[in-house]
Amino acid sequence: EDKVVQSPLSLVVHEGDTVTLNCSYEVTNFRSLLWYKQEKKAPTFLFMLTSSGIEKKSGRLSSILDKKELFSILNITATQTGDSAIYLCAVDPTPGVGIQGAQKLVFGQGTRLTINP
Amino acid sequence: EAQVTQNPRYLITVTGKKLTVTCSQNMNHEYMSWYRQDPGLGLRQIYYSMNVEVTDKGDVPEGYKVSRKEKRNFPLILESPSPNQTSLYFCASSLLGANVLTFGAGSRLTVL
Repeated sequence: EDKVVQSPLSLVVHEGDTVTLNCSYEVTNFRSLLWYKQEKKAPTFLFMLTSSGIEKKSGRLSSILDKKELFSILNITATQTGDSAIYLCAVDPTPGVGIQGAQKLVFGQGTRLTINP
Repeated sequence: EAQVTQNPRYLITVTGKKLTVTCSQNMNHEYMSWYRQDPGLGLRQIYYSMNVEVTDKGDVPEGYKVSRKEKRNFPLILESPSPNQTSLYFCASSLLGANVLTFGAGSRLTVL
């Protein structure tokens, strides 16, 4: 059974701290790994990673994938209270490329990040 | 604005009273899906659709029905809701073959 596990499940830090969120996976096939940020409304897309060792960066957020060790990390530097959210990791286990099979993202449990001022 | 719209956003109902949660997207996406989110369990897929009149079960389809008569709409139907269907529900869509989903704002359902 395909599985995605995030850790920690909950994290509380002070504004200005740097945090690292973890996502490990066990899937039959791997196409990509995605990170989403969920505030009070809809989860919003952050990054999609397909290749090992290539860092994706957006402002203070960055993410990297290790396909050999089957994990990804999401780093947030100089955290702000607006970074408080649930961060979701998902893996696309669709084999091959293009339109094949079902698009059944497998999600982890999420990490609830709280940034205190 | 490109978006996925769900209604209602909040609903409290009683066991056995049929209800429908609507989902509509304005991005001409072929793929649509329903998820439920429960504490400690993450997002789990209920049903998905790859195009009009094409639907299939996800990981937790029991107690739910869907239909896809038009490309933009993908309603979730609970014929006889039970308390274990109390959850936060998300509709999502994407272009076929793309795996970046656009999510709706969520519908919080409580079944008493």
